[in-house]
Amino acid sequence: AQSVTQLDSQVPVFEEAPVELRCNYSSSVSVYLFWYVQYPNQGLQLLLKYLSGSTLVKGINGFEAEFNKSQTSFHLRKPSVHISDTAEYFCAVSASGTASKLTFGTGTRLQVTL
Amino acid sequence: KAGVTQTPRYLIKTRGQQVTLSCSPISGHRSVSWYQQTPGQGLQFLFEYFSETQRNKGNFPGRFSGRQFSNSRSEMNVSTLELGDSALYLCASSLLAGPPGDEQFFGPGTRLTVL
Repeated sequence: AQSVTQLDSQVPVFEEAPVELRCNYSSSVSVYLFWYVQYPNQGLQLLLKYLSGSTLVKGINGFEAEFNKSQTSFHLRKPSVHISDTAEYFCAVSASGTASKLTFGTGTRLQVTL
Repeated sequence: KAGVTQTPRYLIKTRGQQVTLSCSPISGHRSVSWYQQTPGQGLQFLFEYFSETQRNKGNFPGRFSGRQFSNSRSEMNVSTLELGDSALYLCASSLLAGPPGDEQFFGPGTRLTVL
């Protein structure tokens, strides 16, 4: 079975500052990793995903994430955040063979202020 | 292209009743997955359907069931509702089921409140 840990439930940051949202996972098999964003009263939108290959993955809205197999991490970063980035961010994992079954972390609330 | 639609968006039921939620996937998508989102448990996988067959199932009691029709539309049913079933129920569709990383597109969810 897989599990995902998002270490920070809330991350406050000022606009134009950099941000990193942390995600660690555990699995006994190969995994695929995802970051989703959820705005209030909306469903989830995919930011980026890691399947294989380059460990640095670039996504939408200027976000990127780095897969680190030795540390079992997949942290999300953005060099300069905007007010509109305020949302809930979820890290998720699916295991090889069950690609449609996502296991989510508990989420990190990113609060961007002026 | 229309996104994933879920109906109704909001629902209020009382304990012991049953409820049916509907999900229409993106045109051409054949896989539909359901998730429950609560403040306490977060996002949890309920089940996934592909070509009218349940392919994966999460750890939920038998009161939670689903089905998929030939046009890929899906319904989930919860019988004998409990207060703890109050949640946002999210549906996600993907083009295929199985290819690694096949992107899932989420609907806005149905907010179920059980009184």
